[in-house]
Amino acid sequence: ELKVEQNPLFLSMQEGKNYTIYCNYSTTSDRLYWYRQDPGKSLESLFVLLSNGAVKQEGRLMASLDTKARLSTLHITAAVHDLSATYFCAVDTLPSTASKLTFGTGTRLQVTL
Amino acid sequence: ETGVTQSPTHLIKTRGQQVTLRCSSQSGHNTVSWYQQALGQGPQFIFQYYREEENGRGNFPPRFSGLQFPNYSSELNVNALELDDSALYLCASSWALSYEQYFGPGTRLTVT
Repeated sequence: ELKVEQNPLFLSMQEGKNYTIYCNYSTTSDRLYWYRQDPGKSLESLFVLLSNGAVKQEGRLMASLDTKARLSTLHITAAVHDLSATYFCAVDTLPSTASKLTFGTGTRLQVTL
Repeated sequence: ETGVTQSPTHLIKTRGQQVTLRCSSQSGHNTVSWYQQALGQGPQFIFQYYREEENGRGNFPPRFSGLQFPNYSSELNVNALELDDSALYLCASSWALSYEQYFGPGTRLTVT
């Protein structure tokens, strides 16, 4: 059974600091997703990583994928309060005509002033 | 372009009852997936519909069933509700040749 683990589960960080969220998964996959979820809200797509070595950046967030290590990272640069949310990684294990996402447990990020 | 919509927003049901949740996919999308998200957990895949056929299923009992209509909208039906069915139910639509999934706002189901 595929397992997707994130750490840390909770992260409290000061504005202006850098930090990394880690996502490990237990089976081969070439597609890794990162989502953001605000309290009581739905999931907002941040990144889709499709190949080994893929790196994507949007604003203060940068995601990378190492399929050999089965590891993805979400790096936060100079955090701001607006980044406070829960971040999920998800792994896709079905062929391209079907997507079955297996999600991690989430990392709750709290950025303090 | 209209995004993914779900109805109702909130629902309260009693144990043993049946419920139907609805999802309208984003314009141009022919695939709909349903996920259950319990409080404090990541979403769990229930099933996916592609061109009106079930196209993958997670570890959910048969009392969770679904439909997809010719306009690609979808329903999730849950029979014999249990307390553990209380969760946020999310649908996501996608175009079969794309890896992107777009999530709707969700339906919050409470079973008492």
